[in-house]
Amino acid sequence: ETGVTQSPTHLIKTRGQQVTLRCSSQSGHNTVSWYQQALGQGPQFIFQYYREEENGRGNFPPRFSGLQFPNYSSELNVNALELDDSALYLCASSLGQRSSTDTQYFGPGTRLTVL
Amino acid sequence: AQSVTQPDIHITVSEGASLELRCNYSYGATPYLFWYVQSPGQGLQLLLKYFSGDTLVQGIKGFEAEFKRSQSSFNLRKPSVHWSDAAEYFCAVGNAGGTSYGKLTFGQGTILTVHP
Repeated sequence: ETGVTQSPTHLIKTRGQQVTLRCSSQSGHNTVSWYQQALGQGPQFIFQYYREEENGRGNFPPRFSGLQFPNYSSELNVNALELDDSALYLCASSLGQRSSTDTQYFGPGTRLTVL
Repeated sequence: AQSVTQPDIHITVSEGASLELRCNYSYGATPYLFWYVQSPGQGLQLLLKYFSGDTLVQGIKGFEAEFKRSQSSFNLRKPSVHWSDAAEYFCAVGNAGGTSYGKLTFGQGTILTVHP
């Protein structure tokens, strides 16, 4: 059974550019959540996808968008990058059987640097 | 809105000493509580979780945590720390319902340094 994987590992972009981060959920998991972890901070919830539909969003602007595919893998897209978007982006998957007790399993993250 | 406070930003202990990391939460109903550990440059690994029942929960790597509703706390403990426990520890509360079920709200983390 493979765990949660994310790509790429590291990424460097410049202000104003757009970026796409990818996540493959753990086998059998149909829910994916994305978090942003700025340096020295705890992760902050961006949004969650359950069976290809957005199922809640944190306090992030619309230029943060996502997608979930039929195989439950997911993408996080960020448009018009700003310096403050530099962070570790974490993806987490869970069984998502409409139960808040599902454990979320995290991937290793993508380190995004915006210059 | 739910929130988590970890009062200690950095804790240093000697190898073999006991450890307690503090966590206080704010949540309107019965909380779902978690402790995660993060090694440098890595993702988060679940140590333990509390949903209901016995207020003392056991986790991996010899860690345990106690839920105290009266104090809104969920402190993490280990009787004897190993050098490999050096990492950053995050307490989190889970969203119990509505949209974003399972959404985790994290504290700012506690960095643990272990001296030989």
